[in-house]
Amino acid sequence: EAQVTQNPRYLITVTGKKLTVTCSQNMNHEYMSWYRQDPGLGLRQIYYSMNVEVTDKGDVPEGYKVSRKEKRNFPLILESPSPNQTSLYFCASSFGVGETQYFGPGTRLLVL
Amino acid sequence: KNEVEQSPQNLTAQEGEFITINCSYSVGISALHWLQQHPGGGIVSLFMLSSGKKKHGRLIATINIQEKHSSLHITASHPRDSAVYICAVSARNYGQNFVFGPGTRLSVLP
Repeated sequence: EAQVTQNPRYLITVTGKKLTVTCSQNMNHEYMSWYRQDPGLGLRQIYYSMNVEVTDKGDVPEGYKVSRKEKRNFPLILESPSPNQTSLYFCASSFGVGETQYFGPGTRLLVL
Repeated sequence: KNEVEQSPQNLTAQEGEFITINCSYSVGISALHWLQQHPGGGIVSLFMLSSGKKKHGRLIATINIQEKHSSLHITASHPRDSAVYICAVSARNYGQNFVFGPGTRLSVLP
């Protein structure tokens, strides 16, 4: 089944404790992206990747890191989480930038 | 960025009604996308449009490039259509990345 998976789905952590949210797709997509969704602000892009080893900042990259060592995986790293990073996070992938995106199920993060 | 706007913000309808959700944008685009986000949070792509009209089941999406406007119509609405509908555009100005509208929350009552 074609899908984008994210783990964990729910996470409660404390300020400053490094965490990684994994994202994996099995559709051989070149483009992958991370978004965060906050009430009243909608979906905003954090980072994206056009292909392996090619990543770039989106609209709200501060406090986040990403890597794209393999085509299927695009982890999101929060090296020192802060409460303002409490949000719902989505990973998405597509064959190319601007094409139909397939979204993961979302990760709800609470930073205390 | 407020380049993508949607109306209405919230919409309540009775089952069976014809529903229209509007999206307007401010820059020349490569494509416009309609997404559906269910109460559980998952997001599904419904349509990708660069011109004209597309239909899938009871859903119809149209776009007018000159007027920078798109509409999503739902015919014979059903409670299972209750969701947030999000318009997104991809454009050269944004490196073809998606810019999202704020969403329209639809509730269809039985």
